[in-house]
Amino acid sequence: EPEVTQTPSHQVTQMGQEVILRCVPISNHLYFYWYRQILGQKVEFLVSFYNNEISEKSEIFDDQFSVERPDGSNFTLKIRSTKLEDSAMYFCASSARDRAKPEAFFGQGTRLTVV
Amino acid sequence: ELKVEQNPLFLSMQEGKNYTIYCNYSTTSDRLYWYRQDPGKSLESLFVLLSNGAVKQEGRLMASLDTKARLSTLHITAAVHDLSATYFCAVDVAANAGGTSYGKLTFGQGTILTVHP
Repeated sequence: EPEVTQTPSHQVTQMGQEVILRCVPISNHLYFYWYRQILGQKVEFLVSFYNNEISEKSEIFDDQFSVERPDGSNFTLKIRSTKLEDSAMYFCASSARDRAKPEAFFGQGTRLTVV
Repeated sequence: ELKVEQNPLFLSMQEGKNYTIYCNYSTTSDRLYWYRQDPGKSLESLFVLLSNGAVKQEGRLMASLDTKARLSTLHITAAVHDLSATYFCAVDVAANAGGTSYGKLTFGQGTILTVHP
């Protein structure tokens, strides 16, 4: 069954450094998302992406964050200057949003640790 | 701002018992999802509920949606250890809320379910 894949599975970075988290969504999906989950807390929406542009973003998604779909398959989240509080599990998701399968499918996550 | 609240947040069950997890949300929506998360793992889609009165069943789990009450339930029948996980409900504010929805999900806090012998 097709799945969303994310790399790396774990990233450790120093505060102030830039990180890029990578995702390959399911191939026929058109809607892409990033969510994050701080340890032990609920899953929070960061951004949605459709038709090559951001369609919605949360308050968390400030100027330090950006997303890109550099080619036909990858979807990336960049954090320009990481802070300690960016440490979390980051999930990429994609969806076809059609009647047969409207739900979002999540990748296995990238655990980001900022030290 | 949409609020999604689950209760209970922690549920310790004996094998063989039944219980219900509740998910309340604060604004009109006709799309509600249930996800399961095992420790350190991703979110696995369990149920998609798309209309008032929708009921879905898979094995020992049954989910329902009452859009008028803004309430969804996840009922566990005759629990087994394999059901131990965290369960999240998530609400998608759909187009009938007055705008285009691109599928942004607002999650509940999650219910940590532990099933013991």
